[in-house]
Amino acid sequence: RKEVEQDPGPFNVPEGATVAFNCTYSNSASQSFFWYRQDCRKEPKLLMSVYSSGNEDGRFTAQLNRASQYISLLIRDSKLSDSATYLCVVMRTRGSTLGRLYFGRGTQLTVWP
Amino acid sequence: DVKVTQSSRYLVKRTGEKVFLECVQDMDHENMFWYRQDPGLGLRLIYFSYDVKMKEKGDIPEGYSVSREKKERFSLILESASTNQTSMYLCASSLTGASTNEKLFFGSGTQLSVL
Repeated sequence: RKEVEQDPGPFNVPEGATVAFNCTYSNSASQSFFWYRQDCRKEPKLLMSVYSSGNEDGRFTAQLNRASQYISLLIRDSKLSDSATYLCVVMRTRGSTLGRLYFGRGTQLTVWP
Repeated sequence: DVKVTQSSRYLVKRTGEKVFLECVQDMDHENMFWYRQDPGLGLRLIYFSYDVKMKEKGDIPEGYSVSREKKERFSLILESASTNQTSMYLCASSLTGASTNEKLFFGSGTQLSVL
């Protein structure tokens, strides 16, 4: 079973729409959670960390449910510039003291005018 | 801003060639990583290093080796390139790895084609 599972999409939404992405992780020992964003033909970049209490950064809201091993990302008032692939990422230590990141395959979002 | 530089954006090699992919970071980060990214498979960890001359296997190390002789430089080596190693290779670095909110900084990637 994959460490991190995401719906690959694609999600095609109009500007101004609200869109939600979901992600599940298989290992309950996972310690930290993130959303990364990857633009076409570019490298991934950290969008936001995800905290147990849920957190918000402008139009973006991330939620974590440890009991269900479920992570979500909500984007409100979508902009054209939000078009990208969103990667769900979990971290846990495995053997060494260095935390290792496990990436989902990504969910593709296209926002149209 | 942290800069992670990969030596080539595009590379074309022949089957059986020895291939070196170079990565340099300029922020004195302790940890460096090599991933490959393939459509439908996402990012997969090949090798990582948490100190000079230290390395650990990731999830798909077969057919690869690495070298970290200096803190800022982490090289990925394909001893004998094969067509199934055609992929986008991404190098990344992070500061300590001990923090639970560790941020990875990625290079812009090397698209390797093995013919």
